[in-house]
Amino acid sequence: DGGITQSPKYLFRKEGQNVTLSCEQNLNHDAMYWYRQDPGQGLRLIYYSQIVNDFQKGDIAEGYSVSREKKESFPLTVTSAQKNPTAFYLCASSIDVSGDYNEQFFGPGTRLTVL
Amino acid sequence: DAKTTQPPSMDCAEGRAANLPCNHSTISGNEYVYWYRQIHSQGPQYIIHGLKNNETNEMASLIITEDRKSSTLILPHATLRDTAVYYCIVRVGNPIYNQGGKLIFGQGTELSVKP
Repeated sequence: DGGITQSPKYLFRKEGQNVTLSCEQNLNHDAMYWYRQDPGQGLRLIYYSQIVNDFQKGDIAEGYSVSREKKESFPLTVTSAQKNPTAFYLCASSIDVSGDYNEQFFGPGTRLTVL
Repeated sequence: DAKTTQPPSMDCAEGRAANLPCNHSTISGNEYVYWYRQIHSQGPQYIIHGLKNNETNEMASLIITEDRKSSTLILPHATLRDTAVYYCIVRVGNPIYNQGGKLIFGQGTELSVKP
């Protein structure tokens, strides 16, 4: 089955600790994205990557870091510098970003709670 | 800052058509209208998109007004499983001008399908 996997589904961390969220896709997509969702709100873009070894900041990148060493993987690190890290984190991918049509496929999400 | 306006909530009887409106009065000529939906605590799911013409697929129909300032998503025979938050998004066709395919999510419409 092709798709996007995120692990774990629920994650608890103490304040001040860095935490890394996993995102893997086997769709052979070039582009990958990380979004954050707060209760009752839409999604906001944190980082995106159009190709391996390249990534760009989204609207709310402060306190987050990413890497794209492999096409299928795009891990997100929530650092201690992120003031309000408790949220629902969603990873997505798309074939590429060069066309007019760019459907994004989303993973199931990771709910991070910082205690 | 979402470029679309949607009602916060709607109800629909099971088996009836659900018509979800969206206003995008500032839409530009090269911007597409996308619809996604998000079932509680899951990742968003692509439904349909269009530029000028009405579109139909196995999930829904998209009706775009001639001036393109508004659109309606139609679920022809709503089921209980269609209960979700529906997001209407405008996206620039050429991703170079839109941060590599960024989707700007508003707060969406919460559709409740009732038996």
